[in-house]
Amino acid sequence: GENVEQHPSTLSVQEGDSAVIKCTYSDSASNYFPWYKQELGKGPQLIIDIRSNVGEKKDQRIAVTLNKTAKHFSLHITETQPEDSAVYFCAASTMYSGGGADGLTFGKGTHLIIQP
Amino acid sequence: DAGITQSPRYKITETGRQVTLMCHQTWSHSYMFWYRQDLGHGLRLIYYSAAADITDKGEVPDGYVVSRSKTENFPLTLESATRSQTSVYFCASSEFTTGSGNTIYFGEGSWLTVV
Repeated sequence: GENVEQHPSTLSVQEGDSAVIKCTYSDSASNYFPWYKQELGKGPQLIIDIRSNVGEKKDQRIAVTLNKTAKHFSLHITETQPEDSAVYFCAASTMYSGGGADGLTFGKGTHLIIQP
Repeated sequence: DAGITQSPRYKITETGRQVTLMCHQTWSHSYMFWYRQDLGHGLRLIYYSAAADITDKGEVPDGYVVSRSKTENFPLTLESATRSQTSVYFCASSEFTTGSGNTIYFGEGSWLTVV
């Protein structure tokens, strides 16, 4: 099955600086890579995603890059703000063992801390 | 638009007791999921359902039972709770299979403590 590794587990940056979170995946068949943000006491929410036929996608201060050859993808947040403080999860599409559906395998998460 | 609602949000139970976590979605999404979230493990899939009356195991199904008699409901039952099942449980749904790029929407979570 798919295995997703996420680094770092904790990232502290100064407000206004950039933050980068990296993930690697194992299954070359994976073709969809979303990123989720989880604020304290809340459920994860999708913030950006990328498909395997695209190398980069940007949405305001957030961007995601994908290197299919190396099987890694990254989340980039520029001009960080206090409200960016949260736990971020990467995920990769995967086929469930039962074959009945495909879904997502998640990384273990990165706790992003924005220092004022 | 209520989306996904989970109940109870917080629960303390004793070892050996049966506990049911409820999940209700208002979008008529075909797919529903139960994840547990533990420090150091991220989100792990317990069970999923592709439609009413169709369920299948995820990564960590042992000790859990699910049912889906109606599209909008997907309860998760811990038949005999153990301390290792202390966790935060998230219900989620998606319109179609997620691997092809359909968004998974998560509920707010149910905090379960087994003492």
